[in-house]
Amino acid sequence: QSVLTQPPSVSAAPGQKVTISCSGSSTNIGNKFVSWYQQLPGTAPKLLIYENNKRPSGIPDRFSGSKSGTSATLGITGLQTGDEADYYCGTWDTSLSDAVFGGGTKLTVL
Amino acid sequence: EVQLLESGGGLVLPGGSLRLSCAASGFTVSSSAMSWVRQAPGKGLEWVSIITGNGRDTYYTDSVKGRFTISRDRSKNTLYLQMNSLRAEDTAVYYCAKYIEWKDYMDVWGKGTTVTVSS
Repeated sequence: QSVLTQPPSVSAAPGQKVTISCSGSSTNIGNKFVSWYQQLPGTAPKLLIYENNKRPSGIPDRFSGSKSGTSATLGITGLQTGDEADYYCGTWDTSLSDAVFGGGTKLTVL
Repeated sequence: EVQLLESGGGLVLPGGSLRLSCAASGFTVSSSAMSWVRQAPGKGLEWVSIITGNGRDTYYTDSVKGRFTISRDRSKNTLYLQMNSLRAEDTAVYYCAKYIEWKDYMDVWGKGTTVTVSS
């Protein structure tokens, strides 16, 4: 059971928009920054969003992040088949003194 | 270019030991916070350990406390994970990642090394 809760899967058609939620608590998302990671099949995770809504160099603006209270959301617009991957949210939990991840969400582009 | 390259994985008997290495290029491991993250077959990411940038503090997930030790070598610009008393449930791909303290994200990841604990 992950400290952060994500839906196991989401799907949408090419060109459409999808959102992935990440729910936590006051000891993690509520007072810490949230990051998002993309893991393409058979590869290592890659940083997608940091500090809730910032994109590293090279990440297209089709990817966006937001945070409200104890929840965060990853948005992806203009879906492409190459976006099919597992997506993880992450942060630090001040009560556990642990870095924590969500359980991951598998995105299928139909 | 900033890169991380893990090595040291393999097949080990339950109760055995392994030391994973993570060689860095493009930045200095000894002045950066660094972490290990693992992924069991078909499962999600699980954080394992962090060493702070100043090296004064180390953190471990509960399941590895007392068995795993994170450390780094300034001269080799390398991060390590010493794993003792290995269990079947430690079987996973182990990734090292550069950790940004206070902002709580991992901005550079290695490709991973596979650890299999089995008799």
